[in-house]
Amino acid sequence: DTEVTQTPKHLVMGMTNKKSLKCEQHMGHRAMYWYKQKAKKPPELMFVYSYEKLSINESVPSRFSPECPNSSLLNLHLHALQPEDSALYLCASSLPPSGSYAGELFFGEGSRLTVL
Amino acid sequence: QQQVKQSPQSLIVQKGGISIINCAYENTAFDYFPWYQQFPGKGPALLIAIRPDVSEKKEGRFTISFNKSAKQFSLHIMDSQPGDSATYFCAASGSGSARQLTFGSGTQLTVLP
Repeated sequence: DTEVTQTPKHLVMGMTNKKSLKCEQHMGHRAMYWYKQKAKKPPELMFVYSYEKLSINESVPSRFSPECPNSSLLNLHLHALQPEDSALYLCASSLPPSGSYAGELFFGEGSRLTVL
Repeated sequence: QQQVKQSPQSLIVQKGGISIINCAYENTAFDYFPWYQQFPGKGPALLIAIRPDVSEKKEGRFTISFNKSAKQFSLHIMDSQPGDSATYFCAASGSGSARQLTFGSGTQLTVLP
């Protein structure tokens, strides 16, 4: 069982809806990530939080809004999405980035988003 | 220069055979090379990883071979099993702007019973 829990597992929303994806980890990791994955493609980095501060935003459209309320929780707020935003959204966490690499990423099972 | 090129895109192997997936990189700042395994409906999970100070790392049936001069690394799965059928992603990261993982394009492995 994954130690990174994502809810909901599936979400269908219209282009005018507002919804949120949630992610939780209790491994004491201080870096948390949102990735987007399209079918048969690798994960694409969206956001990185390090010690609850946003450290990387990979030029993601403002209709995606991340939030890190505390060291264990990560949210992704969704508003006015487009059909092309339909994808698997993966949350991941890692120990504090140290040395020269981000460290082992622990992924959740993802939230499958469909935008109608 | 941030790219990691992975091949083949798909691979079909008989049970008991050897599966080999190759990756190549350009960025010499990369110094951490993990392989992730992803089953349908699941998130990727770390399978095995290597640092460039060694040329090979083995964990059970899984081996990473690393060629620093050629900037290539590969995953070998010995005695492949139907349960190994999944998508495999190589990745790399390093210092500075290369700190976050750069993933290869993925290989869909099917092991026939």
